[in-house]
Amino acid sequence: SQQGEEDPQALSIQEGENATMNCSYKTSINNLQWYRQNSGRGLVHLILIRSNEREKHSGRLRVTLDTSKKSSSLLITASRAADTASYFCATDAGGNNRLAFGKGNQVVVIP
Amino acid sequence: GAGVSQSPRYKVAKRGQDVALRCDPISGHVSLFWYQQALGQGPEFLTYFQNEAQLDKSGLPSDRFFAERPEGSVSTLKIQRTQQEDSAVYLCASSLGAWYRDSLPIQYFGAGTRLSVL
Repeated sequence: SQQGEEDPQALSIQEGENATMNCSYKTSINNLQWYRQNSGRGLVHLILIRSNEREKHSGRLRVTLDTSKKSSSLLITASRAADTASYFCATDAGGNNRLAFGKGNQVVVIP
Repeated sequence: GAGVSQSPRYKVAKRGQDVALRCDPISGHVSLFWYQQALGQGPEFLTYFQNEAQLDKSGLPSDRFFAERPEGSVSTLKIQRTQQEDSAVYLCASSLGAWYRDSLPIQYFGAGTRLSVL
């Protein structure tokens, strides 16, 4: 079953704009991760945030985590055409380090 | 190898055929996972290995699905008597293992095998 649910599911923006996507989950977690998937390819890890962290940065990425609301957001600043992809949040709620993924956000960055 | 390798990249099978999908994880990675990704959906967990031991197979949808990792490295996912609903991308991922000091539970994914059952 899907653990996370991203919102919105499709986003189209101009190059240089910021893109924000959200994710909610249902059960307690140790950490939450965001992955990117380009068309026809596997997933690439972007960033991990632990349950005791509220915000984390990595380059143009900023992720927040609100455990009281069981939600997370991913912000991509100054988007580029190469950021066009699907973005998934994933939690470790399943145990054994298995990942429970959301349905994904499709982001299209228009040059 | 440099990354997780899966083969074949594409597989077309007639309904009822058996298929075998291969995964070569990153060398030295103890944990190996299989996921199934339907079109437009996020990946769904199928099964997990720690070395050669299959510790969790709760995500396998039916007894037609079988996975093995006999020497703790390469893994094979076998689907018997394929059905149309088996059509999906099958992703393999590996990770170092949670018990390594300070390791992060990051999984490294292969490009997947796209299975089409006609």
